[in-house]
Amino acid sequence: EVQLVESGGGLVQPGGSLRLSCAASGFTFSMYWMTWVRQAPGKGLEWVANIKEDGSEKYYVDSVKGRFTISRDNANNSLYLQMNSLRAEDTAVYYCARRFFDYWGQGTLVTVSS
Amino acid sequence: QSVLTQPPSASGTPGQRVTISCSGSSSNIGSNTVNWFQQLPGTAPKLLIYSDNQRPSGVPDRFSGSKSGTSASLAISGLQSEDEADYYCAAWDDSLNGWVFGGGTKLTVL
Repeated sequence: EVQLVESGGGLVQPGGSLRLSCAASGFTFSMYWMTWVRQAPGKGLEWVANIKEDGSEKYYVDSVKGRFTISRDNANNSLYLQMNSLRAEDTAVYYCARRFFDYWGQGTLVTVSS
Repeated sequence: QSVLTQPPSASGTPGQRVTISCSGSSSNIGSNTVNWFQQLPGTAPKLLIYSDNQRPSGVPDRFSGSKSGTSASLAISGLQSEDEADYYCAAWDDSLNGWVFGGGTKLTVL
């Protein structure tokens, strides 16, 4: 059974940093593109970033370029999102998803507030 | 303002057929396939349709997708109360080099 479990969310002050993790199981992690998607409270879905199977290609939405970094550890079946210079508008539930979003995690809430 | 345009709401009575539209441009829907997602209240999104009209295993055939030019549609036939949810479309955008989503459509079953 495919499982994606996010962790690392929490309350952080504006300008702060946070690292999200996504533990994958039930499939060959190294064979799939992986993606982060976020959803601000009461709002729609927004794609954040994705990364190729071997990590050689990464894409980001404009609003996080230069602040967020997506990475992966295929040996440990893990996906990461390093978030720096956080802003109030980054407050959202962050989901990791496989490939073209065929499986999603349960999400982890990031709140940026003083 | 979302890159893909969906109606904010839709409604129908049990047993009816409802369609939800998703309008884009030549750089997204016009040149790439469309996915549709269902998000029940308080839960993570679930893939409903991929590659314009393909259903993942386990998705009832009451759900169907279609595409023409730069627009796509999700149709739900035999509407049921458990279909009440938010529905989103998404596609890769060649100009933005990223995925774009519609703003979502809240479906109410009357």
